[in-house]
Amino acid sequence: DTEVTQTPKHLVMGMTNKKSLKCEQHMGHRAMYWYKQKAKKPPELMFVYSYEKLSINESVPSRFSPECPNSSLLNLHLHALQPEDSALYLCASSQGLQGPINSPLHFGNGTRLTVT
Amino acid sequence: DAKTTQPNSMESNEEEPVHLPCNHSTISGTDYIHWYRQLPSQGPEYVIHGLTSNVNNRMASLAIAEDRKSSTLILHRATLRDAAVYYCIPLPGAGGTSYGKLTFGQGTILTVHP
Repeated sequence: DTEVTQTPKHLVMGMTNKKSLKCEQHMGHRAMYWYKQKAKKPPELMFVYSYEKLSINESVPSRFSPECPNSSLLNLHLHALQPEDSALYLCASSQGLQGPINSPLHFGNGTRLTVT
Repeated sequence: DAKTTQPNSMESNEEEPVHLPCNHSTISGTDYIHWYRQLPSQGPEYVIHGLTSNVNNRMASLAIAEDRKSSTLILHRATLRDAAVYYCIPLPGAGGTSYGKLTFGQGTILTVHP
């Protein structure tokens, strides 16, 4: 079992739908991350939140909209996605003070997203 | 950012030691060397990290070359549960433009045979 919980585990959505992915952690971590992983590829960083503020956006298209309502919760709002956005979306958290250098990332098991 | 080179795949037998190499010849003096692994159908998990000295923890050992241009992750007795993709990641230190960004390379697929 992972200490970072992601819901839903699977999601199928059409290109005109709006959906949200949810990530929760109760380890008191103050940095949270979204990664995207295509099949047989390494995870790619999308966003980093530090103390509930967006600190890194890796030039992600605006159809992906992150939100960090509080220190335990991270959402990823999805709108007008394309089939090529189908992937495993991974959330992670770390203590946050120095980023991942001395504070390892704890990953959830991801949401498998299929866009039809 | 420092580039890494890892074998695409390696194989081991159960209960034998495994040495997973990583070349990071462009690493800067302030980059830490992190290792993560990803088991099938799971998110990545932290394994170990170090700067200059060799490091041990309950999961593995990390041997860092004296010139820091390469490192080796050592699993002392491989089990079937160690079958995973292993990622070697140089992590920029404070002041770098990529500070705080954990960037995954291609990794090494480790297969463990019973």
